[in-house]
Amino acid sequence: AQSVTQLDSQVPVFEEAPVELRCNYSSSVSVYLFWYVQYPNQGLQLLLKYLSGSTLVKGINGFEAEFNKSQTSFHLRKPSVHISDTAEYFCAVRGSGTYKYIFGTGTRLKVLA
Amino acid sequence: DAGVIQSPRHEVTEMGQEVTLRCKPISGHNSLFWYRQTMMRGLELLIYFNNNVPIDDSGMPEDRFSAKMPNASFSTLKIQPSEPRDSAVYFCASSLAGGEAFFGQGTRLTVV
Repeated sequence: AQSVTQLDSQVPVFEEAPVELRCNYSSSVSVYLFWYVQYPNQGLQLLLKYLSGSTLVKGINGFEAEFNKSQTSFHLRKPSVHISDTAEYFCAVRGSGTYKYIFGTGTRLKVLA
Repeated sequence: DAGVIQSPRHEVTEMGQEVTLRCKPISGHNSLFWYRQTMMRGLELLIYFNNNVPIDDSGMPEDRFSAKMPNASFSTLKIQPSEPRDSAVYFCASSLAGGEAFFGQGTRLTVV
């Protein structure tokens, strides 16, 4: 069965500093990968997705992620964070032969002034 | 499109009562998902439908939970009888085959 591991439950970082949120997945088949952001009392909003093609994916709000098949990772990065990036971030995987999206446990990013 | 629409946004009910959560997916999407989010267990997939047919309900906690999708534009998640441990935020999401899932704003359920 597919699974997603987000290694960090909380990441504090100062404003304008870079950040990386880690995501590893386990799957023996081709996968599609996603990062979502959730602001308080809201639903999940797509940040970016990897379906095929270039392994470096750019998303909204200046975020990007790199698909690394050999390391089964899909880490999310931003070179300079803002206070408004404070939120919970979820990594998700979907196998190519299924419609099922499996989510990680989330990483709470707190940007400090 | 207005996105995925869930109702109600908040529901407070007494233990033992029946609760029905509603979802209208994005028009044209053919997959629909129900998720439950709690602090302890994170985001759990309860059930998903493809072309209105339930494909995988292995995440449904127990027989008290049931979900239906009578047509492409409407789905319900019912809990009968409800218990305090069912308190959570319930999300509905929809997708078009091969694409990302779009989430609704969620229903915050409190069972007292």
